[in-house]
Amino acid sequence: AQSVAQPEDQVNVAEGNPLTVKCTYSVSGNPYLFWYVQYPNRGLQFLLKYITGDNLVKGSYGFEAEFNKSQTSFHLKKPSALVSDSALYFCAVRDMWKDGANNLFFGTGTRLTVIP
Amino acid sequence: DTEVTQTPKHLVMGMTNKKSLKCEQHMGHRAMYWYKQKAKKPPELMFVYSYEKLSINESVPSRFSPECPNSSLLNLHLHALQPEDSALYLCASSQDGLGGADTQYFGPGTRLTVL
Repeated sequence: AQSVAQPEDQVNVAEGNPLTVKCTYSVSGNPYLFWYVQYPNRGLQFLLKYITGDNLVKGSYGFEAEFNKSQTSFHLKKPSALVSDSALYFCAVRDMWKDGANNLFFGTGTRLTVIP
Repeated sequence: DTEVTQTPKHLVMGMTNKKSLKCEQHMGHRAMYWYKQKAKKPPELMFVYSYEKLSINESVPSRFSPECPNSSLLNLHLHALQPEDSALYLCASSQDGLGGADTQYFGPGTRLTVL
């Protein structure tokens, strides 16, 4: 089965500083990796995904992620954090049920707090 | 437009009630999903409809019953729920549910409380 891990429950960063939210993956075959953000009492918003190709993926709201095959990592980054980026961030990997149905396996989430 | 709508936003029900959650998308997607998210936990997939074919997470109890009347609508019928079923229920949709590149777009969720 495919899985992802987010080693940090909480990340604090000062406004204007670069931010990194970490994700490592364990897959058999080629990974399909995703980042989502969740604001309080809301659904998940898609940020970006890696399928194949360029290791640096650019997404919504100025976020980007770097796919690193040798380190099995897919860290989310932003050059300059905003207070409004404070939210819960989930890394996810495409998994598959026995009948072939797509399943998104989510990491445990990282709460990002941007300090003014 | 990547909007998925869910109704109601909040639902409180007793253990003997029957209720339904509704989800709708108008993006022409052919796959729709129900997820359950407990507080401070990641979402867990419960059901998938892809081209109206149902796939089930075998760990989901039978008191949850999905229905897909057409490719734009998804319901989740609830009957005889337990307090531990209290959670945020998320609906999502994607192009076709096939292949790994399919991006899922989520609705805002229904906050369910079972008394």
